[in-house]
Amino acid sequence: EDQVTQSPEALRLQEGESSSLNCSYTVSGLRGLFWYRQDPGKGPEFLFTLYSAGEEKEKERLKATLTKKESFLHITAPKPEDSATYLCAVQASYGGSQGNLIFGKGTKLSVKP
Amino acid sequence: DSGVTQTPKHLITATGQRVTLRCSPRSGDLSVYWYQQSLDQGLQFLIQYYNGEERAKGNILERFSAQQFPDLHSELNLSSLELGDSALYFCASSVAPDSGNTIYFGEGSWLTVV
Repeated sequence: EDQVTQSPEALRLQEGESSSLNCSYTVSGLRGLFWYRQDPGKGPEFLFTLYSAGEEKEKERLKATLTKKESFLHITAPKPEDSATYLCAVQASYGGSQGNLIFGKGTKLSVKP
Repeated sequence: DSGVTQTPKHLITATGQRVTLRCSPRSGDLSVYWYQQSLDQGLQFLIQYYNGEERAKGNILERFSAQQFPDLHSELNLSSLELGDSALYFCASSVAPDSGNTIYFGEGSWLTVV
């Protein structure tokens, strides 16, 4: 069964304190791994797609990396405006959930000034 | 702004009633997805359409149905509503399914069943 597990469930950081969020997955052939940011009551906002192990992508203070079993979202020198829930999702290339995004439950990040 | 438009933004209705949620995908996107998000379940895939045809079904209840029209907008119909159906319902769209293309989400429709 395709599934995604994110850890930790919640993370509190001081402004400027770098850290990483983890996303481990099992999937029937990985078509893509997606990271989204979600603010309360809002829709998920697309951040990155990673397609193969070893791939890395960066955007401002965020850097996403991918291995064969997990992905990391590194946050460098975070600011309070980075506070949000970060969602990881996988898209399978075959099997029952082919083509659809299977989401983890997210990591709720709070950055204090 | 993702380009995916959902209406209504908020909806309060009574148990046993029926509601329709509407979605307009991003310009050029042929695939539409519906997801349900509740506090304890996270984002759950409901159903997917591609160019007017149903492509995949997830954990969608028999009381729920959807369709995608020739102009590519989609509607999610929820009937015989129960308290447990209260949730955020998201529509998402992509150029094509199964391709690794980015899937963009709308801002959601808040459904409260009382």
